[in-house]
Amino acid sequence: EAGVAQSPRYKIIEKRQSVAFWCNPISGHATLYWYQQILGQGPKLLIQFQNNGVVDDSQLPKDRFSAERLKGVDSTLKIQPAKLEDSAVYLCASSRQGEQFFGPGTRLTVL
Amino acid sequence: AQSVSQHNHHVILSEAASLELGCNYSYGGTVNLFWYVQYPGQHLQLLLKYFSGDPLVKGIKGFEAEFIKSKFSFNLRKPSVQWSDTAEYFCAVNSRGNTDKLIFGTGTRLQVFP
Repeated sequence: EAGVAQSPRYKIIEKRQSVAFWCNPISGHATLYWYQQILGQGPKLLIQFQNNGVVDDSQLPKDRFSAERLKGVDSTLKIQPAKLEDSAVYLCASSRQGEQFFGPGTRLTVL
Repeated sequence: AQSVSQHNHHVILSEAASLELGCNYSYGGTVNLFWYVQYPGQHLQLLLKYFSGDPLVKGIKGFEAEFIKSKFSFNLRKPSVQWSDTAEYFCAVNSRGNTDKLIFGTGTRLQVFP
């Protein structure tokens, strides 16, 4: 079974630029998550989807972050405009029977 | 609000030493508990999980964890570590019956020297 795919793996941008990340979950997994992991911290949930609907986006900074999962499969997370404090690894995960499976993450550096 | 505390931020051991990593959580309801591991250059993967039943849970690669409800703890143990156990270890919790939102601890970096 293929794992969670994410791209790009690395991204360097300047502050105030925009950036987008892509995630393709494991086939058949209805629930998809985006996490932000800042250096030295554990992952923090940004948004959770069930199929193409949002279940929890309480921790998503909605003034600059947006996410969609239009067809209930793959998902994109966008930051516009980026700030220095957005430098982090962005993890995508999908779940089955209570267990979450993580992708390799996208390491974002904002200069 | 739920929270998870991992008190050991950085642990250094020699091979064959015993390991115990602490994890305490704060939540009043029924929880599911997890330990995830992240090897250098790799993504997070599940080491073991507790949903219900026997509070002593065995995971992959000889790891085990014990859920002590009265202490709100879920400590990770391994009797004899190997150099290949060098990694970052994360404890996580979610509440049963809720959206399975995982709350992670800050992680413990384990370095094992031969």
